[in-house]
Amino acid sequence: DVKVTQSSRYLVKRTGEKVFLECVQDMDHENMFWYRQDPGLGLRLIYFSYDVKMKEKGDIPEGYSVSREKKERFSLILESASTNQTSMYLCATQSNYGYTFGSGTRLTVV
Amino acid sequence: AQRVTQPEKLLSVFKGAPVELKCNYSYSGSPELFWYVQYSRQRLQLLLRHISRESIKGFTADLNKGETSFHLKKPFAQEEDSAMYYCAQTQGGSEKLVFGKGTKLTVNP
Repeated sequence: DVKVTQSSRYLVKRTGEKVFLECVQDMDHENMFWYRQDPGLGLRLIYFSYDVKMKEKGDIPEGYSVSREKKERFSLILESASTNQTSMYLCATQSNYGYTFGSGTRLTVV
Repeated sequence: AQRVTQPEKLLSVFKGAPVELKCNYSYSGSPELFWYVQYSRQRLQLLLRHISRESIKGFTADLNKGETSFHLKKPFAQEEDSAMYYCAQTQGGSEKLVFGKGTKLTVNP
């Protein structure tokens, strides 16, 4: 089974902090994605990467950046956290069969 | 931009009743369509995809290009089907998935 591991299940950060969310996969998949999940809004794509050092903006990239230095690791960075970035963040990888998601990081910005 | 519409935020049925979760898509080409499910305290997981034409946990979904729909159906709902369901489609030949806003299904005893 593909494993997609998000390092933190819960995070609480202060407004203005720089926040790193980490995602690691163990199946050598090229495509990786970061979504945020909000009630009533579904999943919205923030950024995705189709190879090491390659990245593309999704639908809501403002306030975020990403890093993919190694194939297995895809990091989401909140440059200066704000309260409207309080959300559940989901990482996913893609195979021929579809997406595999991590268990999510619930981030609260206070 | 492609859109996926799930018109029901909440759906409540009794155990043993049929259930249908609606999904409409906007892409006019040949989309790939998926249903994902998230049970309480579990990660989001693939339920089925239209290419496979399979039945998973008693659920089926048929792609209707004329109505641009991909409704999820089950003839006899079970309590363990209670979950959040998301319909999704690929975005115009790219690898990106576009998700609907989700439908929360509650199956009452």
